Amino acid sequence: SQTIHQWPATLVQPVGSPLSLECTVEGTSNPNLYWYRQAAGRGLQLLFYSVGIGQISSEVPQNLSASRPQDRQFILSSKKLLLSDSGFYLCACGQGDYEQYFGPGTRLTVT
Amino acid sequence: GQQVMQIPQYQHVQEGEDFTTYCNSSTTLSNIQWYKQRPGGHPVFLIQLVKSGEVKKQKRLTFQFGEAKKNSSLHITATQTTDVGTYFCAPYSSASKIIFGSGTRLSIRP
Repeated sequence: SQTIHQWPATLVQPVGSPLSLECTVEGTSNPNLYWYRQAAGRGLQLLFYSVGIGQISSEVPQNLSASRPQDRQFILSSKKLLLSDSGFYLCACGQGDYEQYFGPGTRLTVT
Repeated sequence: GQQVMQIPQYQHVQEGEDFTTYCNSSTTLSNIQWYKQRPGGHPVFLIQLVKSGEVKKQKRLTFQFGEAKKNSSLHITATQTTDVGTYFCAPYSSASKIIFGSGTRLSIRP
C-alpha cells in the first residue's frame, strides 16, 4: 500500500518568509496527488491537485503554488508567507475516485 | 461547485451511547467516502459507498447511502473512547477530486 512522507512535522516561519513543503509517495506509480490545508478545528480545504508530472490544478487563489517535478514528489511553495497561511498542511495520494491516503502533515505557524 | 453539509458540527456523548453524523447534498452523488481523523492526526479512510440505498457495516460502525444518493450517514453503536475524533464525509466531485464535508467532531465522556 501507499506510504506518504511529509516533512517537516512542524514549522514556525515569520511573515514574509518563503515556504517549501515536500511530499513523497512510495508504493504506487502515477498517483493523483493533493495538497490540503486544515485550519484549527476546521475541515479540509483542497489547495492543489495533480494527475501527472508537471500537471497542477489550483483550487483556491492565494499566494501558494505547487509543483510536481517527479511522479511521486509534490511540493508546496510560497514566496512570502502571510499570517493566514498558518494551518495543518496535508499531502494525499489517490487513484481516480478511490480512497485517498494521507501523509502525517506539517503544522505551520506563521508569526 | 459541489458542496455537502455535515451535521452536527460537534457531538459530546457518554461512553456507551450511540452517535450519528449526517451528510447532505443538494445534488446527486456518484459515490461518497467517509474518513476519520483522530486529534492531532491525519484523515484515515473508512469506507466508500457507491450504490443507492447501500448499507455497510464495520463492527460498531454502520454507513448508509440514501436511496436518492443525496445523503449519507455514519452511525456508531455503543461508543468507546477510541471513537474520539472528527468524522468527515467526502463525496467524489469530478476530475479525480473529492470534496470533504466540514466534519463532525465526536468527544466522549468516559
